Amino acid sequence: KAGVTQTPRYLIKTRGQQVTLSCSPISGHRSVSWYQQTPGQGLQFLFEYFSETQRNKGNFPGRFSGRQFSNSRSEMNVSTLELGDSALYLCASSLRGDRMNTEAFFGQGTRLTVV
Amino acid sequence: AQSVTQPDIHITVSEGASLELRCNYSYGATPYLFWYVQSPGQGLQLLLKYFSGDTLVQGIKGFEAEFKRSQSSFNLRKPSVHWSDAAEYFCAVVPSGAGSYQLTFGKGTKLSVIP
Repeated sequence: KAGVTQTPRYLIKTRGQQVTLSCSPISGHRSVSWYQQTPGQGLQFLFEYFSETQRNKGNFPGRFSGRQFSNSRSEMNVSTLELGDSALYLCASSLRGDRMNTEAFFGQGTRLTVV
Repeated sequence: AQSVTQPDIHITVSEGASLELRCNYSYGATPYLFWYVQSPGQGLQLLLKYFSGDTLVQGIKGFEAEFKRSQSSFNLRKPSVHWSDAAEYFCAVVPSGAGSYQLTFGKGTKLSVIP
């Protein structure tokens, strides 16, 4: 069974640009969450989508947004990039449903560098 | 707010030695508990999970963890470390009640293994 697929693996963008990252969850998984990982702040929750609806959002500015499609694939977008947005962005998928006692599986991540 | 503490930032052990990584959580109710491992530049791999029942859980790669409710701890152990275990280890929790599936992570413990 295929795992969580994130594309692209690496990105270099210029400050002020915008970027879109993609995540394909494990087949059958309806919940997709996004996390930002930096050396200083560690792993921080960005948002969770379930059945095309955003269930929750972390403490990030409005420049960070996302969406989920009917096939559960998800995208996140960061507009007006800042140097501090350089990070590893991780996507996780889980069965979720009405159960919280389920595990999340992570993709390999997208390494975003803003110059 | 819930939090996860991994008090050891960096641990070095000799190959073949035993290992214990500490994790404490702060949460109103017993959350669901996880340990993930991350190799440099990679995503997170789930080592093991605790939802309920037996407080000693077995995971992949010979790891186990023990949940101690009285100490709000979920420490990870391995009887004999292999050089390939060198990586960063993250403890994480998710609330057991209904709501958004949002993982809260500790800051991680980096494990170095001396051959």
